[in-house]
Parts: sequence; C-alpha cells; structure tokens
Amino acid sequence: DAGVIQSPRHEVTEMGQEVTLRCKPISGHNSLFWYRQTMMRGLELLIYFNNNVPIDDSGMPEDRFSAKMPNASFSTLKIQPSEPRDSAVYFCASSFVREQPQHFGDGTRLSIL
Amino acid sequence: GENVEQHPSTLSVQEGDSAVIKCTYSDSASNYFPWYKQELGKGPQLIIDIRSNVGEKKDQRIAVTLNKTAKHFSLHITETQPEDSAVYFCAATLGGGADGLTFGKGTHLIIQP
Repeated sequence: DAGVIQSPRHEVTEMGQEVTLRCKPISGHNSLFWYRQTMMRGLELLIYFNNNVPIDDSGMPEDRFSAKMPNASFSTLKIQPSEPRDSAVYFCASSFVREQPQHFGDGTRLSIL
Repeated sequence: GENVEQHPSTLSVQEGDSAVIKCTYSDSASNYFPWYKQELGKGPQLIIDIRSNVGEKKDQRIAVTLNKTAKHFSLHITETQPEDSAVYFCAATLGGGADGLTFGKGTHLIIQP
C-alpha cells in the first residue's frame, strides 16, 4: 500500500519567497494532519482536517501560514512570505476517523535562508 | 490544552537488555496514547498504541502500560537489538486518534553492541 506522500522532500528558498508543501494522504483516509518538527519545540500540530474541512487551526503560527484541502486526495500548506524561523521539517499524516491511528509521511525539510 | 512530558531524553542500554521510556499527560480526558519510532530522515512510524479502556498491550518485544489514575504510560522494549536504536515519541489525544496528537519531546534510544 502506498503511504502518505509528501513533496518536495527538501526545499531551500530565500526569505520572503512563497513556499508550498504538498501532501497526498492514504487512499480512503478522511482525516489529514499537518505537523512541524524543530529541535526547540519538537513535534507540534499545525492544523487538521476531517472530510476536507479544517477542524482546528489553532496551531498555525501566524497569518503567513495557510492550509487547504480541495479534495480527499490532496492538501497544501503554504507559507507567504517565508522567514528563516520557519525552517523545520513539516510532516503530513492521515487516518481513518476515530478508527485507525495516524500514519506519517517522510516530511519536507524546509530551509529558509 | 494537553501537555505530555517524556523521560529520559536519552537512554543507552546494552544489546539484549530491556529499555523503558515513561510519559505523563495532563488532560484526564485524553483517551488514546500512541508510540512512534523515528529514524533519521524518516517520518514517525507507529509501533504500538493503547486506548484508555485497556491497561496493558503487548506486541512481541514491545509493550505499553497505562495508569489512568496517575496519568502516565510507559513503553517497554525487551531483548533490545541494534535496529531498535532510534528516537521514540509518546503522544496523547482526545478523540481516539481522530484529533491532533500532542507529542512528548522524544527519547533517543541507543543500543550498545
């Protein structure tokens, strides 16, 4: 079975540029989660969707961050404008609501210069 | 919100010995407690989970125990092998896994040959 697929795996860009991270959840899963991992703060939840609807975005650091899920097979996390402190590994995870655990992709390592 | 504390941050054991990692949580309403293993450059991988209606769960060399009264849960790995070396994260959540996870800060487990 194909797992959660994230792209790109690595992204290096300059401060001020727009960054778009992509995620394809496991087929049939109807919950999707975005997490960020840093040395200082560990793994923290940014936002999650149930049936393509955002449920809790209280973890989104500020208005520069936005996430969308236009259909059950695709989600994006966008940062505009990007700042050096946004450098982190961003993970996407998916699950089947209330039945199964969350499965993680291998992440996007983002470096903002 | 939920707060999860994890100890120790680093654990070094001899191959063949047992390893124990402990976590405490703050929200008595949390009902789902997964454990993830993360290898370098990879996303967290679920290794075992436990729900609040169960006190202990085993899967071959891995076991998890839950004490709801004390609000703590532990991961036990027996007969450790070199491939067990990784970073381990505990997590807690409401909603049985359909809500966002709150993670501990992680334990770097080192298996000495």
